[in-house]
Amino acid sequence: DPKIIQKPKYLVAVTGSEKILICEQYLGHNAMYWYRQSAKKPLEFMFSYSYQKLMDNQTASSRFQPQSSKKNHLDLQITALKPDDSATYFCASSQTGVNQDTQYFGPGTRLLVL
Amino acid sequence: EQQVQQSPASLVLQEAENAELQCSFSIFTNQVQWFYQRPGGRLVSLLYNPSGTKQSGRLTSTTVIKERRSSLHISSSQITDSGTYLCATLGANTGKLTFGHGTILRVHP
Repeated sequence: DPKIIQKPKYLVAVTGSEKILICEQYLGHNAMYWYRQSAKKPLEFMFSYSYQKLMDNQTASSRFQPQSSKKNHLDLQITALKPDDSATYFCASSQTGVNQDTQYFGPGTRLLVL
Repeated sequence: EQQVQQSPASLVLQEAENAELQCSFSIFTNQVQWFYQRPGGRLVSLLYNPSGTKQSGRLTSTTVIKERRSSLHISSSQITDSGTYLCATLGANTGKLTFGHGTILRVHP
């Protein structure tokens, strides 16, 4: 959906560095999410936010930190990057965070950690 | 254990043939959402189906929550339908979608 913007499209990082993945949505939605897609794995849920509050966190590592500065922004900060973090990271949004809502996905940020 | 399973893993069709994609899930949900993932990765929401049958153009989704299954029927396939079809179940109150591995569809002329 062109109204969900993710930046950058591609990102190459060195092991141990820190990066921030940007997500902005202009759909007027109140819930936002992060998912990760690694090679040969299904899309994995990471975080959900509703009205800028954390609803669910399924990441085992504190190296992944979502940041919500505005209602329509949910950035993802990743620290101490590892090669295993290489994946495509998708941001999504929905009207609210409760059942019944269709989620719409951004184009993804493809991260490669060397 | 894979909580959302899709079959077949891949499917090859001649243009204009129909396709039936299956999704079964072991976790509780009250909604199934079908997505299309383009080569290159972008996800497009196709249908979201709490239960029963929903249709959008050439796509029909049938979900039977009690039996923990859903299907996606694609009629009169076109070359541009080629890509990966993903089934996802929605968790209660958190918005968490749990995805299957997908069905890779190739439609040939």
